Amino acid sequence: AQSVTQLDSQVPVFEEAPVELRCNYSSSVSVYLFWYVQYPNQGLQLLLKYLSGSTLVKGINGFEAEFNKSQTSFHLRKPSVHISDTAEYFCAVSGPNSGGSNYKLTFGKGTLLTVNP
Amino acid sequence: DVKVTQSSRYLVKRTGEKVFLECVQDMDHENMFWYRQDPGLGLRLIYFSYDVKMKEKGDIPEGYSVSREKKERFSLILESASTNQTSMYLCASSSPAQRGTYEQYFGPGTRLTVT
Repeated sequence: AQSVTQLDSQVPVFEEAPVELRCNYSSSVSVYLFWYVQYPNQGLQLLLKYLSGSTLVKGINGFEAEFNKSQTSFHLRKPSVHISDTAEYFCAVSGPNSGGSNYKLTFGKGTLLTVNP
Repeated sequence: DVKVTQSSRYLVKRTGEKVFLECVQDMDHENMFWYRQDPGLGLRLIYFSYDVKMKEKGDIPEGYSVSREKKERFSLILESASTNQTSMYLCASSSPAQRGTYEQYFGPGTRLTVT
């Protein structure tokens, strides 16, 4: 079975500072990896995804993530955050073990990013 | 613009009531999912459906059932609501993996309170 661990439940940072949100996964087979963002009182929105190819993935709103197979990690980074980046961020994994062709997602428990002025 | 809609943003029900949560997607997606989201627990899969009239249990199906009579609509049913089902419920849809698209598209969520 697959699992996802988000190492920090809360990350407070100051505006314009860099941020890294950590995500580790466990899987014995190839995986697909995702980062979603949830703004207050909204559903989840896809930030970026890794399916194959380049291990550095760029997403929306200036975020990027790097897939590291040897460390089974997919950390999310942004060089300079804004107040509007305050939200909860979820890492998710999918792959052939997720139920045949249905590709269910397994989510981490989320990291609350709070950007302070 | 892709869209997943849920019938209510906020819902208050009494213990023992039968509750229906409706989800509609306009993307012609085969797969649809119901999650519940609780603080500190992330998203947990309740049920999913990969075709009309087809369903599979997720990680926490107890106390829930689902219905998918049409491709675009996926309903979550709480047969007899209990206070421990107070939660945020999120619906999502996706196209089959064979098309090379794996991400799920989410609705805005329904915050259900059972009193």
